[in-house]
Amino acid sequence: DTAVSQTPKYLVTQMGNDKSIKCEQNLGHDTMYWYKQDSKKFLKIMFSYNNKELIINETVPNRFSPKSPDKAHLNLHINSLELGDSAVYFCASSQVLSSGVNEQFFGPGTRLTVL
Amino acid sequence: AQTVTQSQPEMSVQEAETVTLSCTYDTSESDYYLFWYKQPPSRQMILVIRQEAYKQQNATENRFSVNFQKAAKSFSLKISDSQLGDAAMYFCAYGAGAGSYQLTFGKGTKLSVIP
Repeated sequence: DTAVSQTPKYLVTQMGNDKSIKCEQNLGHDTMYWYKQDSKKFLKIMFSYNNKELIINETVPNRFSPKSPDKAHLNLHINSLELGDSAVYFCASSQVLSSGVNEQFFGPGTRLTVL
Repeated sequence: AQTVTQSQPEMSVQEAETVTLSCTYDTSESDYYLFWYKQPPSRQMILVIRQEAYKQQNATENRFSVNFQKAAKSFSLKISDSQLGDAAMYFCAYGAGAGSYQLTFGKGTKLSVIP
């Protein structure tokens, strides 16, 4: 009955490698997000997809590429990993309504450590 | 751009006492939503409470309540009868009106509960 799930929960890898984080939501929401939380706990949006269409693309290195195969999934692929990419990455989803609150539901996070 | 400011990086409270966490925001919108999220050491982001800007009545969820001052752009969280499980990072977040995709988060307040 997990609402927003992410895999893996922990990811340890070497600099220069390519890795992916997967996210799935079973809430029937039409919008999904990727956030990055740095070591100071600051939470910053990276991307947002609405019905598989990219709608928010913040200033993020192009080594980061989101992919949404359908509106229940939003994956994050990272090429040529750098030390500064070490962080916790959160996936979230919401149903964006023409009226009413846009409440976001978060996954458990993926702690990425780049060595 | 909207900004959210949490001026208290850390706070502490005695068990069973009451604590108030501060949040101010900047916006030119009249229709928006405000949220408090809790992030315990498990790092799961949990929605604590939300407030619609058009509602004058302050939101309440059990021991959690807000003091929403729209003119002052202030949205503080009061936790009554603090429990050890309340120890966490608390994030204030702003969401623009209906149809908006983005939440803007404050930098968080780390709350410790002293037995």
